[in-house]
Amino acid sequence: AQTVTQSQPEMSVQEAETVTLSCTYDTSESDYYLFWYKQPPSRQMILVIRQEAYKQQNATENRFSVNFQKAAKSFSLKISDSQLGDAAMYFCAYRTGSAGNKLVFGAGTILRVKS
Amino acid sequence: DTGVSQDPRHKITKRGQNVTFRCDPISEHNRLYWYRQTLGQGPEFLTYFQNEAQLEKSRLLSDRFSAERPKGSFSTLEIQRTEQGDSAMYLCASTHQANYGYTFGSGTRLTVV
Repeated sequence: AQTVTQSQPEMSVQEAETVTLSCTYDTSESDYYLFWYKQPPSRQMILVIRQEAYKQQNATENRFSVNFQKAAKSFSLKISDSQLGDAAMYFCAYRTGSAGNKLVFGAGTILRVKS
Repeated sequence: DTGVSQDPRHKITKRGQNVTFRCDPISEHNRLYWYRQTLGQGPEFLTYFQNEAQLEKSRLLSDRFSAERPKGSFSTLEIQRTEQGDSAMYLCASTHQANYGYTFGSGTRLTVV
């Protein structure tokens, strides 16, 4: 079974600075997708960025980028120029490429942004 | 479509009562998923539907839980004889088979007292 591990329960960053959230996963599949989701307090889960395992190039979405190391099974999220609105719980998730395509989530990292 | 809708947003029930939640997915999405999220944890998969067929159920889904998706449109999740351990956020998500993006609803927060 696939597992996702987020080793940082909580992180803090100063506004306008850069922060990196860590994620590792375990799988025997070769075809899969990885995601970072943001969940603000009492609000809807929002997709931040996604990465296809077959792509070597790291995904970027504006201030958000990933460092995908397939051999190491590592998938970290870098947030540049942090903003107060980035404060949320961030979940790393693995989606199987096989039938079902369900998401397996990590335990999450709370990101606090200091002004 | 305005996204995935879940109703109710909050539900407080007494232990032993039955509750039912509803999820309306994005209309062109043929896959619908239910997840459960307890405080401070990541969502855990419960079950999913492709159209009206329920194709997989997690071991977390005891026989007190049942889900349906009649006609492949909205879905309901029923919990019978609720227990305090059922207190959680129940999330619904939908996606198209050919699309690897999920859209989540805002969830139904269940409190069993």
